[in-house]
Amino acid sequence: NAGVTQTPKFQVLKTGQSMTLQCAQDMNHNSMYWYRQDPGMGLRLIYYSASEGTTDKGEVPNGYNVSRLNKREFSLRLESAAPSQTSVYFCASRVTGDKGNTIYFGEGSWLTVV
Amino acid sequence: GQQVMQIPQYQHVQEGEDFTTYCNSSTTLSNIQWYKQRPGGHPVFLIQLVKSGEVKKQKRLTFQFGEAKKNSSLHITATQTTDVGTYFCAGNPHSGYSTLTFGKGTMLLVSP
Repeated sequence: NAGVTQTPKFQVLKTGQSMTLQCAQDMNHNSMYWYRQDPGMGLRLIYYSASEGTTDKGEVPNGYNVSRLNKREFSLRLESAAPSQTSVYFCASRVTGDKGNTIYFGEGSWLTVV
Repeated sequence: GQQVMQIPQYQHVQEGEDFTTYCNSSTTLSNIQWYKQRPGGHPVFLIQLVKSGEVKKQKRLTFQFGEAKKNSSLHITATQTTDVGTYFCAGNPHSGYSTLTFGKGTMLLVSP
């Protein structure tokens, strides 16, 4: 099992460009998440999808859109990148409604907006 | 909304010294989880605590969940350089709740 796979691992964008971060999990998890991590700020939730067909805003959704394409895939789109979106992005998944509701993270995507 | 505070933000110890990080929630939790993130890596699940007053051990790591289920701690005995990383707690207000609230993490640096 690959777990949670996200691409690309590294990306440099110019201000105003758009891009999509791809994420897929092979654990048959219901819930999927996108976090961003900045120094001293911890993990901040951007968007999440509690189940296939639903998406909800997290703590910092502005400037992002998401698509839960199917149960496996959850993509994050930056329509017009800004330098403030320079960050490390983590996709994650989890089985909800279960006592062992561990979150499994992907390896991260390092995004720089210049 | 729910807030999870974690202290200290940063700690630098000599190898062999003990280390403790504390986590406090503004609301009662159903359970709390701990994660470790190595430098340049991604967060990895360590443990989940569910019961009031629960104490769990993993080798040199001891995890506690407070009686009121609003606070938790992680204690590392005799740190090693392999313990370097950032430790996050994450609170779950209800079993099955869609999202966890992460603390900002404690960065641990261990000097040999």
